[in-house]
Amino acid sequence: SQTIHQWPATLVQPVGSPLSLECTVEGTSNPNLYWYRQAAGRGLQLLFYSVGIGQISSEVPQNLSASRPQDRQFILSSKKLLLSDSGFYLCAYSKPGLATPTNEQFFGPGTRLTVL
Amino acid sequence: GQNIDQPTEMTATEGAIVQINCTYQTSGFNGLFWYQQHAGEAPTFLSYNVLDGLEEKGRFSSFLSRSKGYSYLLLKELQMKDSASYLCAVRNTGGFKTIFGAGTRLFVKA
Repeated sequence: SQTIHQWPATLVQPVGSPLSLECTVEGTSNPNLYWYRQAAGRGLQLLFYSVGIGQISSEVPQNLSASRPQDRQFILSSKKLLLSDSGFYLCAYSKPGLATPTNEQFFGPGTRLTVL
Repeated sequence: GQNIDQPTEMTATEGAIVQINCTYQTSGFNGLFWYQQHAGEAPTFLSYNVLDGLEEKGRFSSFLSRSKGYSYLLLKELQMKDSASYLCAVRNTGGFKTIFGAGTRLFVKA
């Protein structure tokens, strides 16, 4: 079976500090990986997606970056956090290519980030 | 541009039926999804439509009209546990990128 892990679950960071959020997937090879951010009471904003190691597509220009150092590892980083970076960060995966007709996304438990 | 519109909030009574509408304008289309998200939790997959028509799955049904850029999620026999946000999402033609709407918060009252 497939599972997705994210950590930490909650994080409080001062403005200007760095950030590193990690996501790992088990049970499937070469997954498509995604980072989303959800502001309070809002929908999911796609930040980055990756279809393979070292392949990152950025959707929103901002002070965040993503990396995929291993097949099933996806990392979200920032060198200097802004107040506006606060939110609920969700990692998700889908199976590679068209493995299933729906190929829906499976979400990790999320990281609630508060920047003070 | 890309845009997905859903009502912000809806309220319904336990045991009733509720329909949540979604309209979309996207640069490509390769399927429409509905996800359920309880407060503070991650979204979970509910349904998928890629062809016009109705897909039924237990108490949940989802409808799609590609020509109208329109979908709805129908929830029957509402239960208190159905109180959640319902997110409409459209996958692009390439199949990798999915755009989400802001979600509809559904409140089920006794």
